[in-house]
Amino acid sequence: EVVLTQSPGTLSLSPGERATLSCRASLSVRSNYLAWYQQKPGQAPRLLISGASNRAPGIPDRFSGSGSGTDFTLTISRLEPDDFAVYYCQHFAFSRCTFGQGTKLEIK
Amino acid sequence: EVQLLESGGGLVQPGGSLRLSCAVSGITFGTYGMNWVRQAPGKGLEWVSSISGNGGGTYYADSVKGRFTISRDNSENTLYLQMNSLTAEDTAIYYCAKFGVGSDCNSAFCYGNFDYWGQGTLVTVSS
Repeated sequence: EVVLTQSPGTLSLSPGERATLSCRASLSVRSNYLAWYQQKPGQAPRLLISGASNRAPGIPDRFSGSGSGTDFTLTISRLEPDDFAVYYCQHFAFSRCTFGQGTKLEIK
Repeated sequence: EVQLLESGGGLVQPGGSLRLSCAVSGITFGTYGMNWVRQAPGKGLEWVSSISGNGGGTYYADSVKGRFTISRDNSENTLYLQMNSLTAEDTAIYYCAKFGVGSDCNSAFCYGNFDYWGQGTLVTVSS
């Protein structure tokens, strides 16, 4: 089973800054099985990125995903107040699904 | 508009059972694989189970295998999760979620991402 480790656990930034969130897999995975989600308090998760780099419909272009193999990154180019939330990476392949433990993006 | 609405959560004693439902609208339900994902209070997301569009393929996390059963009624556009032998560790918000573009789930395998989620239903296991 693939273990996903996200870092940092908490990221403190200001609106307008750039956020870089990391997701490391315990073994090499195919990019098309890697997704990113945003979750705000009291809400269900929302799909941001699928296939490591494909933005979901309606997701602003300030969100971008990249990476391959074991190292994947979610970048938010210019933070807006609405972006402060918890972010999860996910891998689902070979009928097994795992999530990273999450990165909390908080306002500095 | 795609909508997923969970129901059936509540307080149950350890060792008890509960059946969750997820009513889906806005899609041709039987075309899509579906999932259950849970989140314990203050914790992260945990995948629970997946089912193929025709119900012929079912997949479970090790933590629930043998205790939980996923099923669906495509004539009623509804997804189910039957939960037996519940323990305190099963206390969580349970979300249903639809497989998105680039996903596939059939009788042989499942993979992909979740593009629509319900708002969740809370299951509390306590005496």
